[in-house]
Amino acid sequence: LAKTTQPISMDSYEGQEVNITCSHNNIATNDYITWYQQFPSQGPRFIIQGYKTKVTNEVASLFIPADRKSSTLSLPRVSLSDTAVYYCLNPGTASKLTFGTGTRLQVTL
Amino acid sequence: DTGVSQDPRHKITKRGQNVTFRCDPISEHNRLYWYRQTLGQGPEFLTYFQNEAQLEKSRLLSDRFSAERPKGSFSTLEIQRTEQGDSAMYLCASTPAVGSSYEQYFGPGTRLTVT
Repeated sequence: LAKTTQPISMDSYEGQEVNITCSHNNIATNDYITWYQQFPSQGPRFIIQGYKTKVTNEVASLFIPADRKSSTLSLPRVSLSDTAVYYCLNPGTASKLTFGTGTRLQVTL
Repeated sequence: DTGVSQDPRHKITKRGQNVTFRCDPISEHNRLYWYRQTLGQGPEFLTYFQNEAQLEKSRLLSDRFSAERPKGSFSTLEIQRTEQGDSAMYLCASTPAVGSSYEQYFGPGTRLTVT
């Protein structure tokens, strides 16, 4: 049973802000929310993680409401190179990562 | 480039043959993971090592699969008597001892095609 649910695909134009929402209704108290990015024929790459409220780094922002049942990855001003698959995960105390099918983001001109 | 290397990058083999893949993690990372990814799916966990000890194996890892990490450095994943269903991308990742970060550093993967 998947722990997270996210849209299968999204389309955006270059320069727009993209928000990808992930549902994790059964998130455990000690689970973090982690996002990875994967380009074709490459391994996944860690983007950002958070536990609550808002986290921002040089790549993205992560918004987590108080109930933690969902989260939103925000990519500011996307470019063509942001075309990739984005995975939302809820790693707990186990060290392994459990990936779903992710959200395929297509950015066009 | 994350610093994790995998060799070979591509492998084509005939059904029934044995294959071995190698992963070189980031040198100071003591945890090493293997995942498998098929087309259109996210990576699936296979196994992981803490130094040279193999601490967990997925049910996906049938008895035809074996992984080793001698001396806690590089790791090998061997598949015996390959089947067409083994065709996939095999990914290796490494991380320092678990802290509060869930950042794993993935290699480029080895794409296996079984004909």
